[in-house]
Amino acid sequence: DTGVSQDPRHKITKRGQNVTFRCDPISEHNRLYWYRQTLGQGPEFLTYFQNEAQLEKSRLLSDRFSAERPKGSFSTLEIQRTEQGDSAMYLCASSLAGYGYTFGSGTRLTVV
Amino acid sequence: AQSVTQPDIHITVSEGASLELRCNYSYGATPYLFWYVQSPGQGLQLLLKYFSGDTLVQGIKGFEAEFKRSQSSFNLRKPSVHWSDAAEYFCAVGVTGTASKLTFGTGTRLQVTL
Repeated sequence: DTGVSQDPRHKITKRGQNVTFRCDPISEHNRLYWYRQTLGQGPEFLTYFQNEAQLEKSRLLSDRFSAERPKGSFSTLEIQRTEQGDSAMYLCASSLAGYGYTFGSGTRLTVV
Repeated sequence: AQSVTQPDIHITVSEGASLELRCNYSYGATPYLFWYVQSPGQGLQLLLKYFSGDTLVQGIKGFEAEFKRSQSSFNLRKPSVHWSDAAEYFCAVGVTGTASKLTFGTGTRLQVTL
């Protein structure tokens, strides 16, 4: 059990560029979550996968955001046409069931 | 809709002193409650959780929390703080449903003086 891995740890991008983050969950965990944490705030739910199916999306997830989890393993979160307001820490978590989350260390995005 | 309030943005305690971090929640049903800790630049680590039963919950690193339904509170306590406890602490409530989502408070930053 190597925990939840997120890549990259940090990303600086220019406004208008596209970015993609990757999350590798704990291998036996079938649930995967993305949360976003802005400065001075707690994490906010973005989306949830059970296996490869994306079952719930927050209204925070605008049309510029898309998440996938092909084959129910790793997941990617893509942000198109980034805006300064997208600057945040993007956290991935996985669980086997219920609330037994294990969080990754996050990807910190800075849009300049 | 559910919400979590952590009234204290920043708390400073001396090493060896006791600690209490406040958390109030708003939720229509019996809540699932959690405390997480986050060190700088890191993800969140679960300290403890309350689902049902005994209202005093023991967690890791010597932390405990007490669920008080009448006060809608779930305060985190530690009898003697160590310098390594300096971090950000988040209270969260679990939203019932298939997704098992969490709603977090805004956090309390704990500073420990030597």
